[in-house]
Amino acid sequence: DAGVIQSPRHEVTEMGQEVTLRCKPISGHNSLFWYRQTMMRGLELLIYFNNNVPIDDSGMPEDRFSAKMPNASFSTLKIQPSEPRDSAVYFCASRGPPLRDTQYFGPGTRLTVL
Amino acid sequence: DQQVKQNSPSLSVQEGRISILNCDYTNSMFDYFLWYKKYPAEGPTFLISISSIKDKNEDGRFTVFLNKSAKHLSLHIVPSQPGDSAVYFCAAGVYGGATNKLIFGTGTLLAVQP
Repeated sequence: DAGVIQSPRHEVTEMGQEVTLRCKPISGHNSLFWYRQTMMRGLELLIYFNNNVPIDDSGMPEDRFSAKMPNASFSTLKIQPSEPRDSAVYFCASRGPPLRDTQYFGPGTRLTVL
Repeated sequence: DQQVKQNSPSLSVQEGRISILNCDYTNSMFDYFLWYKKYPAEGPTFLISISSIKDKNEDGRFTVFLNKSAKHLSLHIVPSQPGDSAVYFCAAGVYGGATNKLIFGTGTLLAVQP
C-alpha cells in the first residue's frame, strides 16, 4: 500500500523563479496538510484541506505561497516568486485510516533557493 | 506563541539505558497527543499516541505518559537501541474535532550511543 507521495524529492532553483511542489495523499484519506520544517520553527503547518476544500491557510507565510487541491488524489504548493529564505524541507501529510486522527507524512521535498 | 514545546533540542543516551523525551503544552483544549519519529531524509512516522482519558499508553519499548494537570507528556524508550537515534516530535490536537490540526513541537534529537 503506497504511502503519501511527494515530488520532486529535491529542488534547486534561483531566486525569483516559480516552484511547484506536488503531493498525492493516501487513497481514502480526506484531509491533506502542507508543512514546512526549519531549524528555528520545527514543523510548521502552512495549510490544510478537508475533502479538497482549504480550511485553514493561516500558516501560509505570504501571498507568494499558494496551494490547491483540484481532486482527492492531488495537491500542489506553489511559491512564486521564490526567495532564499524559502529554503526548507516541505512535507505533505494526509489523515485517515487506519488511525483516524493520525497524520501520515510523505518523504518531503528539500527546496534550495539560491 | 509556541503551544507545544520541546525544551531539549538534543539528548544523548547509552545503549540499553532509558531515554526520556519531554514535551509541554499550553492549550488546555488539547486532548490527543502523538509522538512522531523522524530519520534524516525521511518524513516523520507515527510512533505512539495517547488521549486525555488515559495517563499512560504502552507499545513495546515505547511508553507515553500524560500529566494533564501539569500539561506535560513524556516518551520513555526502554531499553534504548542505536536504531532509535532520530528526531522525535511531539504533537497535540483535539480528538475528532472540527478542526483537525496538529500542533508540533520543534523536536528533540536523540542519539543512542553503542
